[in-house]
Amino acid sequence: SAVISQKPSRDICQRGTSLTIQCQVDSQVTMMFWYRQQPGQSLTLIATANQGSEATYESGFVIDKFPISRPNLTFSTLTVSNMSPEDSSIYLCSVEDGSGLAGGRPRATGELFFGEGSRLTVL
Amino acid sequence: EDQVTQSPEALRLQEGESSSLNCSYTVSGLRGLFWYRQDPGKGPEFLFTLYSAGEEKEKERLKATLTKKESFLHITAPKPEDSATYLCAVQASGSARQLTFGSGTQLTVLP
Repeated sequence: SAVISQKPSRDICQRGTSLTIQCQVDSQVTMMFWYRQQPGQSLTLIATANQGSEATYESGFVIDKFPISRPNLTFSTLTVSNMSPEDSSIYLCSVEDGSGLAGGRPRATGELFFGEGSRLTVL
Repeated sequence: EDQVTQSPEALRLQEGESSSLNCSYTVSGLRGLFWYRQDPGKGPEFLFTLYSAGEEKEKERLKATLTKKESFLHITAPKPEDSATYLCAVQASGSARQLTFGSGTQLTVLP
């Protein structure tokens, strides 16, 4: 298992400002994932952060709005830029469980460990 | 487009009252279906992975089952500490790693 620490746990921000969320993992991982969980809605993947290369963004999310850094195998940051009230959400960092075989077939890569999340409120 | 629908949105049970949560899915080739538990103010916690129809997994009072169209999370004799939001997610065989999550079922078990 992996232990994931996120900072800040919550913050209240003014419209037009930017906030950087930090994610620290207690072990080296290849990929780190950033999710958004809006009130009453499901988790949505923002991007996948790879060490040594640019992050891969999902449809609807762009680097200018959500720049990501991945300086090493245990750390990543997500910045929410030029915030508006619509960005009020919980932002979650996650990593995969180790790869391997389960029942003779490749283990699906959906067994994730999540941080406790960063709850942002934009006024 | 992959879709996951969970029902009911909320469920209140008395302690000891068994029930089931439903996860209906549409996916272009299922690679895996995942159940997570999320407590208030916490990130989701992984519970189960199911790969193919007919498969079952158990953990304490929870049992997850899978058919070609849906998955059930059966809760037997629940306790108040089972209160949480239960999330279902699917991964399509054609996707590298992206999960599609449902909106969850908020379970409350009353003492």
